[in-house]
Amino acid sequence: EAQVTQNPRYLITVTGKKLTVTCSQNMNHEYMSWYRQDPGLGLRQIYYSMNVEVTDKGDVPEGYKVSRKEKRNFPLILESPSPNQTSLYFCASSSPVGGRYNEQFFGPGTRLTVL
Amino acid sequence: GEDVEQSLFLSVREGDSSVINCTYTDSSSTYLYWYKQEPGAGLQLLTYIFSNMDMKQDQRLTVLLNKKDKHLSLRIADTQTGDSAIYFCAERGTGGSYIPTFGRGTSLIVHP
Repeated sequence: EAQVTQNPRYLITVTGKKLTVTCSQNMNHEYMSWYRQDPGLGLRQIYYSMNVEVTDKGDVPEGYKVSRKEKRNFPLILESPSPNQTSLYFCASSSPVGGRYNEQFFGPGTRLTVL
Repeated sequence: GEDVEQSLFLSVREGDSSVINCTYTDSSSTYLYWYKQEPGAGLQLLTYIFSNMDMKQDQRLTVLLNKKDKHLSLRIADTQTGDSAIYFCAERGTGGSYIPTFGRGTSLIVHP
């Protein structure tokens, strides 16, 4: 089954304790992205990757890191989480081929609470 | 820059039609999308329209595109409680990255 998986689904942590949220897709997609979703603010892009070893900042990259060592994985790293990073996080992937409608496939979300 | 705007909430009675509106700024948009997010889940593509089309119909869903006004709408006929969700409008420009830009999402509330 084609899917994007994220782990963990729920996480409660404390300020300053480094954490990693994993994202994996099994569709051989080149493009992967991280978003955060907050009430009233909608979906905001954190980082994206066009392919292996190619990453770029989205709209709200501060406080986050990513890496893309393999095509299927795109982990999101919070080196020193703070309460304002409490949010719902989504990973997405797609195959950005010109001339096609390029559906974005989203993971189920990770709800992060930073105390 | 690119921007996609939509209202945050829409409340309708079960059985009525719902119309969710969206405006965008990138006149070079090639595809426009509607994604649906059900409670506790990720977004899923609901439908899309290519920029050379004015309308697309798929069962209870009708998408209207007005390129001149850069306005996109999603009409859901005979709205059911199961249609309660957040609906995101998104556009994809002609830039080489093909990365879509999402609106903030419209929460559709369907009441009996």
